[in-house]
Amino acid sequence: DVKVTQSSRYLVKRTGEKVFLECVQDMDHENMFWYRQDPGLGLRLIYFSYDVKMKEKGDIPEGYSVSREKKERFSLILESASTNQTSMYLCATRGTGELFFGEGSRLTVL
Amino acid sequence: DQQVKQNSPSLSVQEGRISILNCDYTNSMFDYFLWYKKYPAEGPTFLISISSIKDKNEDGRFTVFLNKSAKHLSLHIVPSQPGDSAVYFCAAKILQGAQKLVFGQGTRLTINP
Repeated sequence: DVKVTQSSRYLVKRTGEKVFLECVQDMDHENMFWYRQDPGLGLRLIYFSYDVKMKEKGDIPEGYSVSREKKERFSLILESASTNQTSMYLCATRGTGELFFGEGSRLTVL
Repeated sequence: DQQVKQNSPSLSVQEGRISILNCDYTNSMFDYFLWYKKYPAEGPTFLISISSIKDKNEDGRFTVFLNKSAKHLSLHIVPSQPGDSAVYFCAAKILQGAQKLVFGQGTRLTINP
């Protein structure tokens, strides 16, 4: 079974803080993704990576950056958290087929 | 620009009856479609997929139908069970293109006993 582990299930941060969300996969997949889920908006792609040190912007990259130093780890960084970044963040990985998601990280920015 | 749309935010169905969830897309380049199921506080899990070369794919109680001319797909669940209560997301991609999936807004399905 593919395992996608997100480091924090629940976080509460203050406006302006730097936030790191980490994701680790154990299947040696090349492709990794960060989505956010908001009610009525579905899942929206923030960034994805198809190889180590490679990254591509998704549909809503503003306010976010990513890091992929190792194949199994893909980090999402909020340089200066804002209240509109309060959301459920979902990491996913894919080999050749469908996406496998982590359990999600619910971030609240006060 | 919402390329994948699920126009029903919620759906309520009696246990044992058929649940039909709908999804429309606008990009005619999409050629692979997936349905995901999501329980609260969990990540989405893959349910079923269909390639554009087919118009139907069945897996147990779940069947996905694809109407390419109408740019419409639907997920049928029969019979519906209480454990099917979840949010269902439709997703689409271009097989030979970028690796990303485009998701719809989701439909919350509630199965009533």
